[in-house]
Amino acid sequence: DADVTQTPRNRITKTGKRIMLECSQTKGHDRMYWYRQDPGLGLRLIYYSFDVKDINKGEISDGYSVSRQAQAKFSLSLESAIPNQTALYFCATRQGTEAFFGQGTRLTVV
Amino acid sequence: LAKTTQPISMDSYEGQEVNITCSHNNIATNDYITWYQQFPSQGPRFIIQGYKTKVTNEVASLFIPADRKSSTLSLPRVSLSDTAVYYCLVGLVSGGSYIPTFGRGTSLIVHP
Repeated sequence: DADVTQTPRNRITKTGKRIMLECSQTKGHDRMYWYRQDPGLGLRLIYYSFDVKDINKGEISDGYSVSRQAQAKFSLSLESAIPNQTALYFCATRQGTEAFFGQGTRLTVV
Repeated sequence: LAKTTQPISMDSYEGQEVNITCSHNNIATNDYITWYQQFPSQGPRFIIQGYKTKVTNEVASLFIPADRKSSTLSLPRVSLSDTAVYYCLVGLVSGGSYIPTFGRGTSLIVHP
């Protein structure tokens, strides 16, 4: 089983719909991150959390929200999806010098 | 946060050694240099990390000159499966508030 699991792996949704992307980890790490990747671009930080009671905005948080339900779970929500939120989304964890990434969620907003 | 600059793309052939250089002129004293590899539609994967001189593991080598203003990731005898995007990150990795920050990376294509 993967250390960092993202669900769903693929999702197509309509403009205006609310959607949640989920991330769970078995590594016991406190620090969790959500990134977005667009074709040909690097990963851009959406939100991050250093522990259960800590939530911080990244460089592109507008239109997104997160919830840290437990140490192991960090969910990303799009309250009202729009087409330019079509992208590949990654969750990551870190404790120490190395970050561990999930397999990604490919989201298409039509 | 130290800014990094690396080539957008590189091409190589199977069996060759590939060197990808990253510039980080304003690296801080306690910053480490970390490289990640990303295959299409997968999350980045840690390859190697170093502070100074040379680090080698089973995947790659990392060369860091004395002034630490650049670093070179060396992949020996690449194969088709090394086709990926390679990211250079610089930061205080041991710090609690460290956030892995990714640029556009270097897209390496290995040809038969």
